[in-house]
Amino acid sequence: DGGITQSPKYLFRKEGQNVTLSCEQNLNHDAMYWYRQDPGQGLRLIYYSQIVNDFQKGDIAEGYSVSREKKESFPLTVTSAQKNPTAFYLCASSATGIHEKLFFGSGTQLSVL
Amino acid sequence: SQQGEEDPQALSIQEGENATMNCSYKTSINNLQWYRQNSGRGLVHLILIRSNEREKHSGRLRVTLDTSKKSSSLLITASRAADTASYFCATGPLSDYKLSFGAGTTVTVRA
Repeated sequence: DGGITQSPKYLFRKEGQNVTLSCEQNLNHDAMYWYRQDPGQGLRLIYYSQIVNDFQKGDIAEGYSVSREKKESFPLTVTSAQKNPTAFYLCASSATGIHEKLFFGSGTQLSVL
Repeated sequence: SQQGEEDPQALSIQEGENATMNCSYKTSINNLQWYRQNSGRGLVHLILIRSNEREKHSGRLRVTLDTSKKSSSLLITASRAADTASYFCATGPLSDYKLSFGAGTTVTVRA
């Protein structure tokens, strides 16, 4: 069953802690993206990657880090430098090209304890 | 700043009625896309319209694009309770891979 899987569904972060959100896809897509969604708002781009071992900052990259060591995986780390991490995080993938259709995972809700 | 902005923010209609929402954007585009999001879930792609297209249909969905006004509309005909969701438009600048989303239109279909 092809798709994009995010885990965990819910995650809690303590003060000063780094947490990592997982995103895996088996669609053979080259491009992957991380978006943040706050209640009642649109999606804001955190990081994106067009190819393995390469990624670019989006509009709100501060306090976040990513890696792209494998084509199918694009984990996002929310670092302690991100002072307001509570949000719904969405991972997406697409075929190579500008503004291709995005396939989304089901999201991770991150909350601060 | 966001490339696409939807209007209205919220819409409540009776089952069977049509729902129309609009999207305005700022720069020239390759294409414009519409997505649906059910509460607490990921987004699902609905339809993509290219910059050289003016209208596109998919089932009960009809999308129009007016590049001179930098605007698009999404029409859902004969709405059903299952159409209750938030709808987002997404676009990006011509030479940039980034796809930006608006704040969305929340549609509630009353039985």
